[in-house]
Amino acid sequence: GENVEQHPSTLSVQEGDSAVIKCTYSDSASNYFPWYKQELGKRPQLIIDIRSNVGEKKDQRIAVTLNKTAKHFSLHITETQPEDSAVYFCAALRGGEYGNKLVFGAGTILRVKS
Amino acid sequence: DVKVTQSSRYLVKRTGEKVFLECVQDMDHENMFWYRQDPGLGLRLIYFSYDVKMKEKGDIPEGYSVSREKKERFSLILESASTNQTSMYLCASSFYRATNEKLFFGSGTQLSVL
Repeated sequence: GENVEQHPSTLSVQEGDSAVIKCTYSDSASNYFPWYKQELGKRPQLIIDIRSNVGEKKDQRIAVTLNKTAKHFSLHITETQPEDSAVYFCAALRGGEYGNKLVFGAGTILRVKS
Repeated sequence: DVKVTQSSRYLVKRTGEKVFLECVQDMDHENMFWYRQDPGLGLRLIYFSYDVKMKEKGDIPEGYSVSREKKERFSLILESASTNQTSMYLCASSFYRATNEKLFFGSGTQLSVL
């Protein structure tokens, strides 16, 4: 089955710096890779996603890149702000007989220091 | 705005008790999911359902069962609670469409088993 590894587990950056979180997946058939952000005490929310037919996607200060050959994808946050502090989860969509299921990474705690 | 509502925010139960966690969504979503969230382990899928009365095991179904009698409601049942089931439980829902896998999460139930 699909396995998703996420690194680093914690990341501290200075406000205004960039942050990069990386994930690798094992199932080459996976074709959808979302990123969820979970602020302290709140529910996870989708912030950006990418499909396997695209190499890069950008939305304002966040971007995601996908390397299908190497089976890894990354989240890039530029000009970080204190409100970016949260836990970030990557995921890969695993197909199954009864529908697709997301497999999540272990999460990255991002702290933006002001 | 999509609403996924979990009946309890905090729950304290004793070992051996039968525990019911309830989840209701108001967007007519076909898919519903139960995840548990533990530090360093990310979000792990317990069970999911893609239609009324249909259910499929996720990655960690042992010690749990589910019920989906109505489309909007998905219940997670701990038949005999144990201390290793102390965790944050997150319910989620999504449309059953090949191009839309976005998950909408509830606020979570923090379950403590003493």
